[in-house]
Amino acid sequence: GAVVSQHPSWVICKSGTSVKIECRSLDFQATTMFWYRQFPKQSLMLMATSNEGSKATYEQGVEKDKFLINHASLTLSTLTVTSAHPEDSSFYICSARDLRRDTGELFFGEGSRLTVL
Amino acid sequence: AQKVTQAQTEISVVEKEDVTLDCVYETRDTTYYLFWYKQPPSGELVFLIRRNSFDEQNEISGRYSWNFQKSTSSFNFTITASQVVDSAVYFCALRSGTYKYIFGTGTRLKVLA
Repeated sequence: GAVVSQHPSWVICKSGTSVKIECRSLDFQATTMFWYRQFPKQSLMLMATSNEGSKATYEQGVEKDKFLINHASLTLSTLTVTSAHPEDSSFYICSARDLRRDTGELFFGEGSRLTVL
Repeated sequence: AQKVTQAQTEISVVEKEDVTLDCVYETRDTTYYLFWYKQPPSGELVFLIRRNSFDEQNEISGRYSWNFQKSTSSFNFTITASQVVDSAVYFCALRSGTYKYIFGTGTRLKVLA
């Protein structure tokens, strides 16, 4: 099946620093990737849609200057949490469509757990 | 409005019991997709099944089975003879139109040995 990989799996950082999370599609090209955020014991909330070669589309209430998304190639999207604060601590999950199949399902990465001290 | 409701927050069963996870959805679209994903403690989301709105056939895959009823807007998931490894959070999701998924709040399943 299609494989999506995220790195790092978990990261701890100090308040005020920036953290970059990578999302790669390993065996397929993904023109579109999606970034989700999941608080403990809660559902997944879509943050933004990452489009290769163009600006990301952010969901209402998501600060685009806070969560910078770059989709520079067909296999890589990055999410940068800028000037992180403890309230940014969360589980971030990316997903991608495999256009070869285009059967509707998204394939998810392993997730990245961010803890801001 | 589109919405997915998983009313069961947490379910505990003893190994080998059957368990059904409920999912009720709302959408005005005639074409849509429904999904179930499993999220084990490690965190990654594992795709289990996709069903489109025109296919009401129930599906069985090993110990897993799904019952799609458009009349009641439900897409329930049954695990037969549950095992400890089935312990996870299970999410039901809806997609229509764009590739935006609407996830339910999830059902945490605990299978006790």
